[in-house]
Amino acid sequence: DGGITQSPKYLFRKEGQNVTLSCEQNLNHDAMYWYRQDPGQGLRLIYYSQIVNDFQKGDIAEGYSVSREKKESFPLTVTSAQKNPTAFYLCASRQGKNEKLFFGSGTQLSVL
Amino acid sequence: LAKTTQPISMDSYEGQEVNITCSHNNIATNDYITWYQQFPSQGPRFIIQGYKTKVTNEVASLFIPADRKSSTLSLPRVSLSDTAVYYCLVGDSYSGGYNKLIFGAGTRLAVHP
Repeated sequence: DGGITQSPKYLFRKEGQNVTLSCEQNLNHDAMYWYRQDPGQGLRLIYYSQIVNDFQKGDIAEGYSVSREKKESFPLTVTSAQKNPTAFYLCASRQGKNEKLFFGSGTQLSVL
Repeated sequence: LAKTTQPISMDSYEGQEVNITCSHNNIATNDYITWYQQFPSQGPRFIIQGYKTKVTNEVASLFIPADRKSSTLSLPRVSLSDTAVYYCLVGDSYSGGYNKLIFGAGTRLAVHP
């Protein structure tokens, strides 16, 4: 069954801790995206990658880092520099320009 | 990127047709218009995409006038399960050789019994 898998579904972060959100796709898509969504708000772009070993900052990249070592994987690390990390994080992928986005089911990150 | 403007919220009743309009005055010649639906605590899912005139699938229709400066998503005979946020996405934001995808605030549709 093809799709995008995000894990974990819920994640808790302690003060000063880095946490990593997983995103895996088996759709053979080139482009992958990370979005952040705050309650009642729209999606804001954190990072995106068009090909392996290449990624670009989105509109709110500060306090986050990513890697794209494999085509199917695009993990997001929320660093201790991100002072307000509580949000719903969504990963998406698509084959190319003008192609539709496929989203994962999201990870809810909360601060302890 | 063509900036999009949608109503913040809409209300409807079961069985009615709902039309959500998106304005995109700066749409580029090769931009497509795509609509997504999002339920709470879920990722958005694709509804429909079009370039011009009218596109119809099993869940919605998309009307695009000749000047392409706006588009209207039409949901026929809505039910309570259509209560969701609807996003209009137009083209890509092309920056330094890379294509970003920027979402707007979306339209919150509430369907009442």
